[in-house]
This record gives sequence, C-alpha cells and structure tokens, in this order.
Amino acid sequence: AAGVIQSPRHLIKEKRETATLKCYPIPRHDTVYWYQQGPGQDPQFLISFYEKMQSDKGSIPDRFSAQQFSDYHSELNMSSLELGDSALYFCASSIRDREAFFGQGTRLTVV
Amino acid sequence: GENVEQHPSTLSVQEGDSAVIKCTYSDSASNYFPWYKQELGKRPQLIIDIRSNVGEKKDQRIAVTLNKTAKHFSLHITETQPEDSAVYFCAASIRGTGRRALTFGSGTRLQVQP
Repeated sequence: AAGVIQSPRHLIKEKRETATLKCYPIPRHDTVYWYQQGPGQDPQFLISFYEKMQSDKGSIPDRFSAQQFSDYHSELNMSSLELGDSALYFCASSIRDREAFFGQGTRLTVV
Repeated sequence: GENVEQHPSTLSVQEGDSAVIKCTYSDSASNYFPWYKQELGKRPQLIIDIRSNVGEKKDQRIAVTLNKTAKHFSLHITETQPEDSAVYFCAASIRGTGRRALTFGSGTRLQVQP
C-alpha cells in the first residue's frame, strides 16, 4: 500500500541557509500534518492543512512557513536556519478524523 | 492547549512479563487517544487507538483502557517479546474539529530483556 513519502531523507545545511522539505500524502488523504522531533524528544506539532487550507497551527517558528498544493503535496520552508533546528521532521496524513500515518521523516542537520 | 503527561520514562521488563504505560491529559474535549511505537530513527507507527466513547480496546497482546472522568489512559502489553523494545508515545487529539493534530506524551523507552 502507498505510504506517506517525504523528501529528502537527509539534509545538511549551514546556519542562516534555507531548506525546503516535501511531503506526499497517502492518495485520497485530505489532511497533512508536520511535526518536529528533536533527539530524545516527542514529536512537536508544527502546522496542519485540510483540503489545501491551513487548519491548525502549533509551535511553528515565524522563520518557517508551509503550504499544501493542488495535488495535496505539502512543503515546509525553513529560513534563517539555526543549530537548534536540527531534528527529524515528520509529515503525517489522514482522512479527516481517521488515524494519521507518518512518513519516514527528513533528518535535517544544521552545521 | 492540551497537555499530555506520560510515565514511566523508561521501563525494563523480562521477556514474557507485562508492561503498562500510563498517560494523563488535560483537555476534557480530547476524544481520540492513539498509541505509537517508534524504533530508533524510524517513523512513529500506530499500534492501537481508542475513542472516548469506548472504555477498553484490545488487539492481541495489546490493550488500551480509558478513564474519561480521571482523564487517564493506559497501554498494556502482555507476554512481552524482545521485538517490543522501542519508544512508545501516547497522544491525544480532538476529532471532529479543526484541532485534530496530535499532542504527544514525552515517551516511554521500553526494554524487554530476553
């Protein structure tokens, strides 16, 4: 069965650079969530989209932005990267209120 | 917003024993409580979930109980096996609204000793 696809899997950036993470949800899923997970931490909710509209916002820094496109894929744009942004970034998708399935994540390292 | 507390943070059991992980939540509007298993460097994987209209749910060796009055839910794993070793996260969310994002507990590292 198709799963949530994230790209790239690994990304290394320098401080103050920008990064773009991509997420392709499971076909027919209408909701996308972005989570950030630091080492040894629980996933922290950043932002979500339902039917291409932002539906909820969590602890997303102002330096980050995201959007969902007409084909339902989503991109997380991160600017002015800081060392503390190094983390695993997960995208998850669901059909409305049904269970959320996570992608394999993008490991971002800021040096 | 919602706050989910989880304990213990680490749990070591012998193979074949049972393991219990407990969570409490703060928002009485929360109505959906999934449990995720995460192996090192991998994605969280849903293992069982429960909605607020149900008090208990079981799937083979895994069961979850929910006490809405106390705002407390627990994961029970029986006959533990070494492959059960992982970090387990509880979570809560409000289904039926725009606020469906999961709030996670801090995780429990379960180690099953052979």
